Amino acid sequence: GNSVTQMEGPVTLSEEAFLTINCTYTATGYPSLFWYVQYPGEGLQLLLKATKADDKGSNKGFEATYRKETTSFHLEKGSVQVSDSAVYFCALSDIYTSNTGNQFYFGTGTSLTVIP
Amino acid sequence: GAGVSQSPSNKVTEKGKDVELRCDPISGHTALYWYRQRLGQGLEFLIYFQGNSAPDKSGLPSDRFSAERTGESVSTLTIQRTQQEDSAVYLCASTPRQGHYGYTFGSGTRLTVV
Repeated sequence: GNSVTQMEGPVTLSEEAFLTINCTYTATGYPSLFWYVQYPGEGLQLLLKATKADDKGSNKGFEATYRKETTSFHLEKGSVQVSDSAVYFCALSDIYTSNTGNQFYFGTGTSLTVIP
Repeated sequence: GAGVSQSPSNKVTEKGKDVELRCDPISGHTALYWYRQRLGQGLEFLIYFQGNSAPDKSGLPSDRFSAERTGESVSTLTIQRTQQEDSAVYLCASTPRQGHYGYTFGSGTRLTVV
């Protein structure tokens, strides 16, 4: 079946530190991979995505590379800011093998707090 | 509309009362999803609509939960005889069609059952 496992938080970093949030997946088909971000008091927003192996998604200084050999999609940012404090969700979409509408599989979320 | 709109943004209700949550998807989005997010936890799938039919209701936690959708527009999620464990943020998302393009989420309805 399909599933997503992401690193547990919470994660606390100082401003300008390097961020990595690990995400690994299990899929029976050819999934697309996503990172969503949820800022305090808001809904989820799509941060970046990659639709095939070796693709790199990037947005707002964040990057993640779709690694089929390690079934991973780790989120990285070289220098975090206080405004990056949020909960980050890794997700998988596998429309080719799913015959139901629940085609997105979310990780449990990783809370990031960046301190000045 | 420009985004997915949910109402109310906050709802406090007494245990045993019924509540109705509303979702207005992005115009033209045929697929609509409801998720539940309990405090500090991930997203729990509830139900999916393709147009106004619901091919997947597998996530509804009990028969107290129901949902409907009018055409390819508004959806309502109804919780009857609310319990304290129903307290959560209820998120709605829509996509142009099934999954592949990424969901656009609403800001959610925070439900508190007291």
